[in-house]
Amino acid sequence: KQEVTQIPAALSVPEGENLVLNCSFTDSAIYNLQWFRQDPGKGLTSLLLIQSSQREQTSGRLNASLDKSSGRSTLYIAASQPGDSATYLCAVKGSGTYKYIFGTGTRLKVLA
Amino acid sequence: GAVVSQHPSRVICKSGTSVKIECRSLDFQATTMFWYRQFPKQSLMLMATSNEGSKATYEQGVEKDKFLINHASLTLSTLTVTSAHPEDSSFYICSASSVGLAGVDEQFFGPGTRLTVL
Repeated sequence: KQEVTQIPAALSVPEGENLVLNCSFTDSAIYNLQWFRQDPGKGLTSLLLIQSSQREQTSGRLNASLDKSSGRSTLYIAASQPGDSATYLCAVKGSGTYKYIFGTGTRLKVLA
Repeated sequence: GAVVSQHPSRVICKSGTSVKIECRSLDFQATTMFWYRQFPKQSLMLMATSNEGSKATYEQGVEKDKFLINHASLTLSTLTVTSAHPEDSSFYICSASSVGLAGVDEQFFGPGTRLTVL
């Protein structure tokens, strides 16, 4: 059974700092992995999607990497801003399944 | 593109009543839609998978008679919480699966529905 864990659970950083969020999964047989952002009381916004054959994806100040063999993904946020404050979720879709399994989330607060 | 809407965004109801939540894919056809539930400060838990024209597949521990799912068309799935009780109060989010421009199967999420049962 796939289990997805994110550390840290919460993170508070000063504006401008570069930071890394971690996502680990127990079953390496994945189809893809997605990183999402969720603002309080809102739905999910997709940030980056990495296929199992890819090592990383980049969008603006965000870079997501995937190491399937070790069951890890990281989301790197460069030059963090207060507007980046939100909960970040990773979700894994297994090979041969339609399901996404979500991680526990990291609540990020960027201080002005 | 790939926009998913939910209606209503918020609903407050009395205990014992039934509530219907709609999930629509606005600019694409979704053969598969998913319903999630999220408790405060917790992650999303998959409740069921909805396939157009067939019965939904429920996750272990989810009561199918309490959470009725209908996927009548390629753009609409509904979740009905029957005889709602305060413990059903939660944030319900749907998603729709679509193959994007890059040929990648991706999920697109609705904005969620906040259900409060008094």
